Amino acid sequence: NAGVTQTPKFQVLKTGQSMTLQCAQDMNHEYMSWYRQDPGMGLRLIHYSVGAGITDQGEVPNGYNVSRSTTEDFPLRLLSAAPSQTSVYFCASRNRYNQPQHFGDGTRLSIL
Amino acid sequence: DAKTTQPTSMDCAEGRAANLPCNHSTISGNEYVYWYRQIHSQGPQYIIHGLKNNETNEMASLIITEDRKSSTLILPHATLRDTAVYYCIVRVARDFGNEKLTFGTGTRLTIIP
Repeated sequence: NAGVTQTPKFQVLKTGQSMTLQCAQDMNHEYMSWYRQDPGMGLRLIHYSVGAGITDQGEVPNGYNVSRSTTEDFPLRLLSAAPSQTSVYFCASRNRYNQPQHFGDGTRLSIL
Repeated sequence: DAKTTQPTSMDCAEGRAANLPCNHSTISGNEYVYWYRQIHSQGPQYIIHGLKNNETNEMASLIITEDRKSSTLILPHATLRDTAVYYCIVRVARDFGNEKLTFGTGTRLTIIP
């Protein structure tokens, strides 16, 4: 079972570059979300989606865009990378009511 | 969602039961207690959750006090692979919506050989 798959696992960018972090799940989950994890700050929600075609902002959405064209995929786009976006990014998915979230293994992103 | 308090770190001997406490004194009646763990460099892993009754699955047991103000996660026979940061989270069960999981700083559990 693949679960939640994130690519790439590691990435180094220069300030101002753009890139897309990929997230795919094979569990037919309706709910997907993106978090970033920084030292001493726990996980913070960036964007989430409750189904194909529906997305909304979390607590730290600035500098990131998302779209959800299919149930399986939920890519996160950095439009113009900044050093403050250096972090570990986790994608998660879950099914309906009161079900736990399943997390991917993360993408470690460094912005120089 | 209610705030939780956990010890910063704990040690447990391999093969013994690891008991991880969590205080959630402001929990509301419709809030569940969830436990996740994060092994170094991996994504958070769901362990167990409950509302008011004790719960058990293949990974762990969850004991919730009668007043629901605290809970204990029990790993019955700890192994070295259980070394991780354990997070206790309290949240309202929602169908859809802005579901922010507030992980806090958790308890760093070290299993000693």
